[in-house]
Amino acid sequence: KAGVTQTPRYLIKTRGQQVTLSCSPISGHRSVSWYQQTPGQGLQFLFEYFSETQRNKGNFPGRFSGRQFSNSRSEMNVSTLELGDSALYLCASSYGTGGYGYTFGSGTRLTVV
Amino acid sequence: GQQVMQIPQYQHVQEGEDFTTYCNSSTTLSNIQWYKQRPGGHPVFLIQLVKSGEVKKQKRLTFQFGEAKKNSSLHITATQTTDVGTYFCADFTGTASKLTFGTGTRLQVTL
Repeated sequence: KAGVTQTPRYLIKTRGQQVTLSCSPISGHRSVSWYQQTPGQGLQFLFEYFSETQRNKGNFPGRFSGRQFSNSRSEMNVSTLELGDSALYLCASSYGTGGYGYTFGSGTRLTVV
Repeated sequence: GQQVMQIPQYQHVQEGEDFTTYCNSSTTLSNIQWYKQRPGGHPVFLIQLVKSGEVKKQKRLTFQFGEAKKNSSLHITATQTTDVGTYFCADFTGTASKLTFGTGTRLQVTL
């Protein structure tokens, strides 16, 4: 079966712009989570959605937001980009609450210049 | 907040040598999940440990959960070049539906 699909794979944006990243989970997975990975901070939890509801949010500023659609696809948005937002953004889907492990997508590499 | 540290940060071994990474938490862990991330890749789920003192094996990989649920370890016997990557432990809290990742251990294996 198809894995978790993230688009685009690479993105270059200018400071102050906004960006939207997309994630299509594995068919049947209703939970979608987002993580930010940087060399300095490692892997950090952004937020998690289940059946279109945000169930948890990490410690990130309000510039980071997301949503989930009725088909479980998810988007995350970052407004007013800063240089420090340059990172690999990973989407992960799971069946239920994640107790069987998460399947990660290949990520979107965002570079802010 | 919770801190999950892994040691060592980096290890370089010759193929055939054993490898162990240790995961230590400042607070009691709920459940531990282990992931492997190949260079340029994304994390791939390996296993979940739930019970205090639990030990699970997957071929050459042995995973342990500490008795006090504050640490965990991953041991690889007779490493191979295919084991190269970064190994992360992560505290999984079902009620919060989130993973708190450890700092990771990067493994390099040479012939």
